[in-house]
Amino acid sequence: QKEVEQDPGPLSVPEGAIVSLNCTYSNSAFQYFMWYRQYSRKGPELLMYTYSSGNKEDGRFTAQVDKSSKYISLFIRDSQPSDSATYLCAMTNRGSTLGRLYFGRGTQLTVWP
Amino acid sequence: DAGVTQSPTHLIKTRGQQVTLRCSPKSGHDTVSWYQQALGQGPQFIFQYYEEEERQRGNFPDRFSGHQFPNYSSELNVNALLLGDSALYLCASSLYPRDYLRDNEQFFGPGTRLTVL
Repeated sequence: QKEVEQDPGPLSVPEGAIVSLNCTYSNSAFQYFMWYRQYSRKGPELLMYTYSSGNKEDGRFTAQVDKSSKYISLFIRDSQPSDSATYLCAMTNRGSTLGRLYFGRGTQLTVWP
Repeated sequence: DAGVTQSPTHLIKTRGQQVTLRCSPKSGHDTVSWYQQALGQGPQFIFQYYEEEERQRGNFPDRFSGHQFPNYSSELNVNALLLGDSALYLCASSLYPRDYLRDNEQFFGPGTRLTVL
């Protein structure tokens, strides 16, 4: 079992839709959770960063962490064609491996006009 | 702020050759991590450098080595290239991660796309 699981999609939605992206993980030591957006053949761009459980909102993006279920989510409201990209979840734990990011394989999202 | 920069953008090598990739971290950052991203996969951690020393290492063979310079920039070297080394190599910069720092964000560069023929 991989430490971080993410459905690769592809996910295709119309413009204006609410998008839900999810990851599950197996390591209960993970404390820091990130979402990255990656356009084709580019490096990942940090979208959201959360520490431990709870919600964080930034504009049209909301990140949720449920540590009891080992489940994290990213919601995109009023999705736009420019949101079309691959979304990667990433996480890291405390202690000696703090800073080593464990990634999901990414979910490919297409928002069509 | 130029952000994280990497060079070259892409290169093509043949099996058995050696390659060196370079990374300059974001201004103010002192830690560089390297990741390998195969097509259709998430990035895999190779190693992390801080204070010119390798601090953590992922599950990669010794053919992968690195270096960090006093100005915090870093190099990734891969010897005896294999076809399976073809990937996007990403550099990420950050402050040295500490538990008491809630802001342990890592910022990625655009990557170097390596093709091994």
